[in-house]
Amino acid sequence: DAGVIQSPRHEVTEMGQEVTLRCKPISGHDYLFWYRQTMMRGLELLIYFNNNVPIDDSGMPEDRFSAKMPNASFSTLKIQPSEPRDSAVYFCASSLSSGFYNEQFFGPGTRLTVL
Amino acid sequence: KQEVTQIPAALSVPEGENLVLNCSFTDSAIYNLQWFRQDPGKGLTSLLLIQSSQREQTSGRLNASLDKSSGRSTLYIAASQPGDSATYLCACSGGGNKLTFGTGTQLKVEL
Repeated sequence: DAGVIQSPRHEVTEMGQEVTLRCKPISGHDYLFWYRQTMMRGLELLIYFNNNVPIDDSGMPEDRFSAKMPNASFSTLKIQPSEPRDSAVYFCASSLSSGFYNEQFFGPGTRLTVL
Repeated sequence: KQEVTQIPAALSVPEGENLVLNCSFTDSAIYNLQWFRQDPGKGLTSLLLIQSSQREQTSGRLNASLDKSSGRSTLYIAASQPGDSATYLCACSGGGNKLTFGTGTQLKVEL
């Protein structure tokens, strides 16, 4: 398997623009997670899905952030409008509920810079 | 709310030395604990996962232990190599598949 795939790997945008991050989980995995990593706050869980349904979005910072999972092989995280404080690395991860104690596998991340 | 702490924040050791990285957590009601490695500019690689009922897991030169009652886990690296240089993160799962991460220990193994 190719592992978790994220695109783009790098994104530079201007404040106020819409940003869409994409994730393809490992085939067959039924959980998908979105994390954000910053120097100040470390790694934080934003939202996670089970069988394409959002289960917990309590980590989403504000209404400017939204996430969707239209099918088992694709998810998006959208920021509209973007702000400089959204600059961070965004990771997607997936896991299998019946797998080895729900071990999570991470993608390479998207480095977002908002100017 | 679970809080995970890793000490030290940074560690520099000479090649060949055995070392221990520490992870502590405030809520002992965890489902499992994972140790990850993160190289600069890269994603996270899972190293070891310990279920709550287990005391330790081993993979090659790595050994992770778990003491739920004291809220501690350690990652032991034997015979360290320059290729082990990376940031090591521990993360606790409290059920529902949610991971709470520590702030990490940045390890540098020098020649």
